[in-house]
Amino acid sequence: DVKVTQSSRYLVKRTGEKVFLECVQDMDHENMFWYRQDPGLGLRLIYFSYDVKMKEKGDIPEGYSVSREKKERFSLILESASTNQTSMYLCASSSLSGASYEQYFGPGTRLTVT
Amino acid sequence: AQSVTQPDIHITVSEGASLELRCNYSYGATPYLFWYVQSPGQGLQLLLKYFSGDTLVQGIKGFEAEFKRSQSSFNLRKPSVHWSDAAEYFCAVGARAAGNKLTFGGGTRVLVKP
Repeated sequence: DVKVTQSSRYLVKRTGEKVFLECVQDMDHENMFWYRQDPGLGLRLIYFSYDVKMKEKGDIPEGYSVSREKKERFSLILESASTNQTSMYLCASSSLSGASYEQYFGPGTRLTVT
Repeated sequence: AQSVTQPDIHITVSEGASLELRCNYSYGATPYLFWYVQSPGQGLQLLLKYFSGDTLVQGIKGFEAEFKRSQSSFNLRKPSVHWSDAAEYFCAVGARAAGNKLTFGGGTRVLVKP
């Protein structure tokens, strides 16, 4: 079974803090994704990576950066957290092989910025 | 650009009754279509997917979905709902031309009455 783990289930940070969200997958997937989930808006793509050290902006990259130094790990960084970044953050991974674009998701990190 | 609309934000259904969740997509080429389910406090789990071939797709937990190209729809159905089906359901679309990215709908929250 593919397993995608996220470093924290719940996180509370103060405005202006630097925040790191970590994601690890154990299936040697090339692609990794960071989404934020807000009520009524579904999942919106923040950043994705298709290889180590490679990244591309998604639909809502402002205020975020990412790092992928190893294939299995993809980090989301909030350089200076703001209250409008309070949200659920979901990490996902998928394989390039075959025709499947199925993404496997972690349990999510609920971040509250006060 | 691709987009997905789930017209129903909330649906309440009695246990044992049938369920249908609507999904409409917009994409010029042949889409890849997915339904995911998110139980409270959990990540997203794939219910089923459509790539090509038979337009009626069977998934896990007794769910099925039908791809209708003429209506740009991919509605999810279950003949008899169980209390454990209470969750949020997301439709997503991907395409070869879009790489490995998926676009998600806003989600439909299903409440099951005893």
